[in-house]
Amino acid sequence: TQLLEQSPQFLSIQEGENLTVYCNSSSVFSSLQWYRQEPGEGPVLLVTVVTGGEVKKLKRLTFQFGDARKDSSLHITAAQPGDTGLYLCAGARTNAGKSTFGDGTTLTVKP
Amino acid sequence: GAVVSQHPSRVICKSGTSVKIECRSLDFQATTMFWYRQFPKQSLMLMATSNEGSKATYEQGVEKDKFLINHASLTLSTLTVTSAHPEDSSFYICSARRPTSTDTQYFGPGTRLTVL
Repeated sequence: TQLLEQSPQFLSIQEGENLTVYCNSSSVFSSLQWYRQEPGEGPVLLVTVVTGGEVKKLKRLTFQFGDARKDSSLHITAAQPGDTGLYLCAGARTNAGKSTFGDGTTLTVKP
Repeated sequence: GAVVSQHPSRVICKSGTSVKIECRSLDFQATTMFWYRQFPKQSLMLMATSNEGSKATYEQGVEKDKFLINHASLTLSTLTVTSAHPEDSSFYICSARRPTSTDTQYFGPGTRLTVL
């Protein structure tokens, strides 16, 4: 069974602070996705990382894929209340069928 | 990004009735779709993998006779909750996997099922 450990599970911060969410596994993934989900809605894809060591930026969000493609991080700079939501990482393996999802990080950014 | 639709967005039904949820991939053909169930403030729980033209693969503990999945075309998968009971009340989400090298899944908006 492939596991993807996501931490922290809950995070409550003030507007303007920085934060990092981690996803770690002992398995190698061919790609890894990060999603953000708001209550009552489906997860929305933020980014897909494919190459070991890859760094992608999406405005104030920075995503990194570990060199060995076993782990990833999401860093948010100057968090805003609009960043509040459930962040999910998912690891995919080519031709493996289903993806492995982390348990999610519930982020609350207080104004 | 890719668009996946789900219908209905919410449904309320009486105990004992069956409910069908549709999941459509609107801008790409999806040979594989997934059905998830999500409890409040928790991550996604995979119920089954829906393969076009073949039987779905169910996760351990998911009753295949209770949750019927049909993937009759490359753009449509349906989940039917048969003889629904209050414990089946939940948020059901589908996803479609885009057939590229990244195997990225794109999610529908979810269906809130409430069984009275």
